Amino acid sequence: QQQVKQSPQSLIVQKGGISIINCAYENTAFDYFPWYQQFPGKGPALLIAIRPDVSEKKEGRFTISFNKSAKQFSLHIMDSQPGDSATYFCAAKGGADGLTFGKGTHLIIQP
Amino acid sequence: KAGVTQTPRYLIKTRGQQVTLSCSPISGHRSVSWYQQTPGQGLQFLFEYFSETQRNKGNFPGRFSGRQFSNSRSEMNVSTLELGDSALYLCASSRTQNTGELFFGEGSRLTVL
Repeated sequence: QQQVKQSPQSLIVQKGGISIINCAYENTAFDYFPWYQQFPGKGPALLIAIRPDVSEKKEGRFTISFNKSAKQFSLHIMDSQPGDSATYFCAAKGGADGLTFGKGTHLIIQP
Repeated sequence: KAGVTQTPRYLIKTRGQQVTLSCSPISGHRSVSWYQQTPGQGLQFLFEYFSETQRNKGNFPGRFSGRQFSNSRSEMNVSTLELGDSALYLCASSRTQNTGELFFGEGSRLTVL
């Protein structure tokens, strides 16, 4: 049973545009929602994270929006740049379990 | 500050063999977690070690095991390898246990023939 559903699988955005990746979860015990960025040949790197007591968190060009009642959260990348081209993973954590990851979104920013 | 170091980076094994992967965490980090990454299943949690004790375990068979040493370095072992074990095995360290703020290494790419 996939506990974190991520969409879209792939996304192409023009330079300067807004990239939006969505995730939905099922387990109401989740209380920490990070996003990881992975470049080819590298391990995932923590980008930004949110807890369910806030609806939005912004760090530079990256924003997480969180809807607790809908059990959904999303990553917005403003003014997308070619260097943002990577695979993005949403994840969720609750209790003592490890991170549960979404299947990933392959993002391409076209110059 | 050095990052998480994993060795070997690449290895090829045949079915039935066993493999040991090594992970050195970031200095000062006491927790080490292991994840398996495959194109089909994505990133899946294997286990977490803290203070030389396994703290929790994902849904993997007993062929997958690990340990942590007093210097926080960790190893994972896969016995009786199967073709489906071919994957990128990622180690992640963190300052404390049971956190989602993980620092990943570049992984060990295992191919089982």
